[in-house]
Amino acid sequence: DSGVTQTPKHLITATGQRVTLRCSPRSGDLSVYWYQQSLDQGLQFLIQYYNGEERAKGNILERFSAQQFPDLHSELNLSSLELGDSALYFCASSATGGALNTEAFFGQGTRLTVV
Amino acid sequence: GENVEQHPSTLSVQEGDSAVIKCTYSDSASNYFPWYKQELGKRPQLIIDIRSNVGEKKDQRIAVTLNKTAKHFSLHITETQPEDSAVYFCGGSNSKLTFGKGITLSVRP
Repeated sequence: DSGVTQTPKHLITATGQRVTLRCSPRSGDLSVYWYQQSLDQGLQFLIQYYNGEERAKGNILERFSAQQFPDLHSELNLSSLELGDSALYFCASSATGGALNTEAFFGQGTRLTVV
Repeated sequence: GENVEQHPSTLSVQEGDSAVIKCTYSDSASNYFPWYKQELGKRPQLIIDIRSNVGEKKDQRIAVTLNKTAKHFSLHITETQPEDSAVYFCGGSNSKLTFGKGITLSVRP
């Protein structure tokens, strides 16, 4: 157990819908990272939050947004869903706030299926 | 931004042989290079990492070497075992941690 909790584990929804994925980081970790994993794209970095503020952005679509709350949990919102958004979404946390230079702990992921 | 590439995309070795997986990176300012292992249906987990001020690091059967001039780093696994079969991701970090597309290692019993 990494100490990072993601809910739900599985999500099935229709095209055009909106979903929210939730992540609770390890106790004491201030940074949360979101990654999308699809079969042919590996682990794609989406976005990083540190102590409530956006710290770094990757290949995140405009239809996607995220935030980190005062209790440090984070939510990833995916809207106007398309079939191609079907993937495994991972959240990771670390103690570092700047450039990631220490171990990141991954949650078990949320499997999103868009039908 | 950082671009990390891995090759080959798949690798098959006989149990007991060594495996070497290479990654190249584009951002010369990158200073941290981790390797993550992801077993089927599980989350990625760090197996070894190296910082830019070190050329080599070992941990039992695994080692990582870094060549800053050529901007590549490699994962070496000796005496491979079936439980080493997994997808391995290399990462590069400057302002954010990005990963390569992953390499599927298969160890034949």
